[in-house]
Amino acid sequence: TQLLEQSPQFLSIQEGENLTVYCNSSSVFSSLQWYRQEPGEGPVLLVTVVTGGEVKKLKRLTFQFGDARKDSSLHITAAQTGDTGLYLCAGAQGYSTLTFGKGTMLLVSP
Amino acid sequence: DADVTQTPRNRITKTGKRIMLECSQTKGHDRMYWYRQDPGLGLRLIYYSFDVKDINKGEISDGYSVSRQAQAKFSLSLESAIPNQTALYFCATSAGDLRETQYFGPGTRLLVL
Repeated sequence: TQLLEQSPQFLSIQEGENLTVYCNSSSVFSSLQWYRQEPGEGPVLLVTVVTGGEVKKLKRLTFQFGDARKDSSLHITAAQTGDTGLYLCAGAQGYSTLTFGKGTMLLVSP
Repeated sequence: DADVTQTPRNRITKTGKRIMLECSQTKGHDRMYWYRQDPGLGLRLIYYSFDVKDINKGEISDGYSVSRQAQAKFSLSLESAIPNQTALYFCATSAGDLRETQYFGPGTRLLVL
């Protein structure tokens, strides 16, 4: 099983702060996805990145896929309480299934 | 209405009991998945199906079985539940290859006593 390591495991910040979470592996992925999961709900896709070095922006969220397609980062600018949730990265190898990281739990306080 | 529904949403059962978790989707997707989520362990794949006649084991299939009754329905069974199967279970669907979105249901919280 190819592992995806996410860091930090838990992050507690104040509203308005910036933060970055990481998703790292020793394996190459053909694509990588980021999901957000809120309490009592299933994960919801935020973005898919497929090209090494790719950067995608979703409002205050910036996603980057590493040049070697082994790692990814998610940067949030001016965090809001609505950003609170579990952030999961998931990598694709081959054609069948995704490998999920263990997640980063983000708590944004007012 | 939700695209992916799971029943029941919560279930308490006893060790040794047989239990079935059901998943239905209205997205018309061929691919369906069952995952379990445990604190600190993330999402782990139990079984997946790419069409009605295709069933595949995932990372942690021991103790579980599945049935794909129709394109829209994919059930997960615990033949003889044990306490370490206590977890949050998610069903998901996708349209095609792994760059496509996986749409998750709301989850079933299972407690095995």
